Amino acid sequence: GQNIDQPTEMTATEGAIVQINCTYQTSGFNGLFWYQQHAGEAPTFLSYNVLDGLEEKGRFSSFLSRSKGYSYLLLKELQMKDSASYLCAVRRDGGATNKLIFGTGTLLAVQP
Amino acid sequence: DVKVTQSSRYLVKRTGEKVFLECVQDMDHENMFWYRQDPGLGLRLIYFSYDVKMKEKGDIPEGYSVSREKKERFSLILESASTNQTSMYLCASSVQSSGANVLTFGAGSRLTVL
Repeated sequence: GQNIDQPTEMTATEGAIVQINCTYQTSGFNGLFWYQQHAGEAPTFLSYNVLDGLEEKGRFSSFLSRSKGYSYLLLKELQMKDSASYLCAVRRDGGATNKLIFGTGTLLAVQP
Repeated sequence: DVKVTQSSRYLVKRTGEKVFLECVQDMDHENMFWYRQDPGLGLRLIYFSYDVKMKEKGDIPEGYSVSREKKERFSLILESASTNQTSMYLCASSVQSSGANVLTFGAGSRLTVL
């Protein structure tokens, strides 16, 4: 089977840094994705890791350790608009169909 | 601008009704997916399709069927709606490759079954 765990809720202050963790157990791992979802809207793609290490994209970075089954999403210089749910998703079995298994999401509240 | 369009944003149906949720993408993507999203459970895959007339079950296919007669259109069908199918339904599409083929989601269809 597969299991993806991430915190349910987090709170952070505008301008600060926040790290959202995700741990997973799955067979046939072939990549980890982070999506952002604002309330009432569709999820949108943030980042993708398939090899160990850090991927940086502006204020957002994502880290992966395949041996530990662990990833985090790092958000720097937080803005109010970063208040959203952050979804960790694991791709399994590789290949073309990109079938993703999602965690339950972390609801981030950014406070002034 | 790439787009996945779901025909109905909000639907209210009665128990036992047949429900059609339509999804159209204009990106010429091979893969299409139907997820449902529920509080505390996240997004769960119902069905997906990697080609016209091809379909595969996801993790929770019971009570649902799908149709893909054209590449751009993927329909989710609830043959006899039940109250436990009240949910947000999200359609998504992606290219078919082994790389970081990103899912593009539609805005969602919120279904209430009374």
